[in-house]
Amino acid sequence: KAGVTQTPRYLIKTRGQQVTLSCSPISGHRSVSWYQQTPGQGLQFLFEYFSETQRNKGNFPGRFSGRQFSNSRSEMNVSTLELGDSALYLCASSLAGRASGNTIYFGEGSWLTVV
Amino acid sequence: AQSVTQPDIHITVSEGASLELRCNYSYGATPYLFWYVQSPGQGLQLLLKYFSGDTLVQGIKGFEAEFKRSQSSFNLRKPSVHWSDAAEYFCAVGVFGNEKLTFGTGTRLTIIP
Repeated sequence: KAGVTQTPRYLIKTRGQQVTLSCSPISGHRSVSWYQQTPGQGLQFLFEYFSETQRNKGNFPGRFSGRQFSNSRSEMNVSTLELGDSALYLCASSLAGRASGNTIYFGEGSWLTVV
Repeated sequence: AQSVTQPDIHITVSEGASLELRCNYSYGATPYLFWYVQSPGQGLQLLLKYFSGDTLVQGIKGFEAEFKRSQSSFNLRKPSVHWSDAAEYFCAVGVFGNEKLTFGTGTRLTIIP
């Protein structure tokens, strides 16, 4: 079955603009998480959505937001872009049952460059 | 809060030699542990995971890892590396019932002929 799909793969934006990234999880997976990866900060957790509700949140400013739709697809939005937002944004999905640990699968990522 | 340490930023290994990448975690309860690999410009591919049970876990591409609770470690091993193993390797720790992963800073693996 198809893996985690992220679009777009590459994009360039100007400071002050906003951007929306999309993620389609593996079929049947109900949890979607987002991570930011930069050379300086490494992989950092942004937030997690489950059943259209944000369940976990990392330590990022309010300019970073997300949502999840009824089909589990998710979008994340960054408003008022800053140069420091240039990063690889990774989406991950899992079954997210609470009874035990879940295997978490990642997509190929969306490369965002802010100029 | 949990944390992960990968003490080796960069490791160079000859093709055909054995490999061990170190990972130490800090967490008060039993964690669940992952190793992911990332090739340049790509996302993260899951190599293996530990949730419970047998402390030696087998993964894809001939990798294995051993969970040692007494040492808070989850080191990744491969008996004989191939040039295609050159990549960055990330250890991650999670908590039961929570989808958030905490990652180490990664170890970049270079393979020389």
